[in-house]
Amino acid sequence: NAGVTQTPKFQVLKTGQSMTLQCAQDMNHNSMYWYRQDPGMGLRLIYYSASEGTTDKGEVPNGYNVSRLNKREFSLRLESAAPSQTSVYFCASSGAEGGFTEAFFGQGTRLTVV
Amino acid sequence: RKEVEQDPGPFNVPEGATVAFNCTYSNSASQSFFWYRQDCRKEPKLLMSVYSSGNEDGRFTAQLNRASQYISLLIRDSKLSDSATYLCVVKGATTDSWGKLQFGAGTQVVVTP
Repeated sequence: NAGVTQTPKFQVLKTGQSMTLQCAQDMNHNSMYWYRQDPGMGLRLIYYSASEGTTDKGEVPNGYNVSRLNKREFSLRLESAAPSQTSVYFCASSGAEGGFTEAFFGQGTRLTVV
Repeated sequence: RKEVEQDPGPFNVPEGATVAFNCTYSNSASQSFFWYRQDCRKEPKLLMSVYSSGNEDGRFTAQLNRASQYISLLIRDSKLSDSATYLCVVKGATTDSWGKLQFGAGTQVVVTP
């Protein structure tokens, strides 16, 4: 049972570099999400996708772009990394649009921008 | 003001003791409430949903107080394995998608031998 798989688990970038965080789920969930978590703060939503083909901004979208490639995959791209983007990034998925089903999280990507 | 606020702790609890902590939310239209558990910056995992009438799952009891806009979590007979950060999660009106979940910053619980 893979659940939600994120890659990479760790990454160090130089300021200005770009990278894509990959996320895939095998639970046939409609909705997928990207969060970031910083020390002393809760999870903050960056972008989410309620269904294949749709994406919406969350609380902190600046500096990020996303692609819902298909129902399984939702990637997060940093076009020009900044030190303020040093964080732990979590991808999550859940089943029903508009309703609640348990959200499952990936193991996280620990990103450091120097 | 944050939409979901939690006492960050840490709550230091002797093994076998009871610990309780609250989470306040600002949006009175919030409809769904949950407690998640997070270990050492690993991924959060659902601990339990919180129902209007209150609910219990083994040693864990969750309560909702809509009038005062807070939810609570009580852990009885604390185990060393209960040491973690407990995240309060609040969801908006039912028409909102899952993406409208608001997370608290978490309450750290440390159970000591």
